[in-house]
Amino acid sequence: GAGVSQSPSNKVTEKGKDVELRCDPISGHTALYWYRQSLGQGLEFLIYFQGNSAPDKSGLPSDRFSAERTGGSVSTLTIQRTQQEDSAVYLCASSFGDLNTEAFFGQGTRLTVV
Amino acid sequence: GNSVTQMEGPVTLSEEAFLTINCTYTATGYPSLFWYVQYPGEGLQLLLKATKADDKGSNKGFEATYRKETTSFHLEKGSVQVSDSAVYFCALSEVGGTSYGKLTFGQGTILTVHP
Repeated sequence: GAGVSQSPSNKVTEKGKDVELRCDPISGHTALYWYRQSLGQGLEFLIYFQGNSAPDKSGLPSDRFSAERTGGSVSTLTIQRTQQEDSAVYLCASSFGDLNTEAFFGQGTRLTVV
Repeated sequence: GNSVTQMEGPVTLSEEAFLTINCTYTATGYPSLFWYVQYPGEGLQLLLKATKADDKGSNKGFEATYRKETTSFHLEKGSVQVSDSAVYFCALSEVGGTSYGKLTFGQGTILTVHP
């Protein structure tokens, strides 16, 4: 596609429910990143994929968070048993994975846990 | 670990004023440095970058110089416009290990430009 696509753009869920957030990276981009943007915390790194493997999961805040990437393309971030503190904008970015290459960001998914 | 410190905002300027947003970093090795911008209702987009010491990144009238001796990457523009109103993020990129290309961001600076 022309850019990084994320869906849904907005998600309201009840506390305790599971949610899945989807990211479609730019075709051919081998590297994919998830970030979280929240008030007071700024932009936080969550996880990095190179192809289908995730060499860096250090930013996942708890074991309720998981992510996978299939076919070297689409990625899904899953949050189980959502809590109110999970409310944030979840951003996905992709790049060619070279040292100085630009990362292109999606519009994000705004998650609200009520 | 790596970190980025940005001047706190918000910053409010009149059109045609001079802009500086300070950014300093702490990093192991030699990271690449970036400024990203988020316009209202839009996603993050790259504004400019510099990949080694003394490099100057520039775009849309904005400039920033990679200063290794002061570990800084301050953003400047000589004459801002209303359309520059946005949130600006300074960031550095990991250059190796398991986190290749991972970005560490500053807190962001909200810029509002009035006519």
